[in-house]
Amino acid sequence: GQQVMQIPQYQHVQEGEDFTTYCNSSTTLSNIQWYKQRPGGHPVFLIQLVKSGEVKKQKRLTFQFGEAKKNSSLHITATQTTDVGTYFCAGVWSSNTGKLIFGQGTTLQVKP
Amino acid sequence: DTGVSQNPRHKITKRGQNVTFRCDPISEHNRLYWYRQTLGQGPEFLTYFQNEAQLEKSRLLSDRFSAERPKGSFSTLEIQRTEQGDSAMYLCASSWGQGDEQYFGPGTRLTVT
Repeated sequence: GQQVMQIPQYQHVQEGEDFTTYCNSSTTLSNIQWYKQRPGGHPVFLIQLVKSGEVKKQKRLTFQFGEAKKNSSLHITATQTTDVGTYFCAGVWSSNTGKLIFGQGTTLQVKP
Repeated sequence: DTGVSQNPRHKITKRGQNVTFRCDPISEHNRLYWYRQTLGQGPEFLTYFQNEAQLEKSRLLSDRFSAERPKGSFSTLEIQRTEQGDSAMYLCASSWGQGDEQYFGPGTRLTVT
């Protein structure tokens, strides 16, 4: 079915440490999108991955899409306190609808 | 302001009452989505519109929920005979085309007492 599993649920790191969250689908995705939600805020788009094996970077953030288009990861290098929030992956199975199926999210806490 | 707006931001209602929420998408976006988010969970898809046409509705959505987008601009989400389990954040999002990034509004937080 259309379901995305995301791990871990929570991650506490010391400022400067790295952070990774993983997303898995049992079926092939059309594309995957990543969103960040700050405490009390709404989801904000980070990036979209479409191609098999795609890797995209945004400053300290690296996003990967698996070769089979069933898994994805977000890696943050040298976390900062501004990285605090919940990171969601969202799978798209049909590009016709654009409907997003969100994972449960990974909440990142950064200790200064 | 070019973002997605939602009204009201908060709504407290008694069980059994009807409530209606409004979403104003980014003006040039023809796709509009409604999601529901409870604490500690990711947003859950409810329904979406392309222009004024409602093209998909979640099978999980009770028939107490109805949504409209009469002129292809703003949208309303109505919940009839509210239940305590309806308490959640209701998020609206819009996008330019299919599969594009979605821009979320600030949400309407519903509390059913």
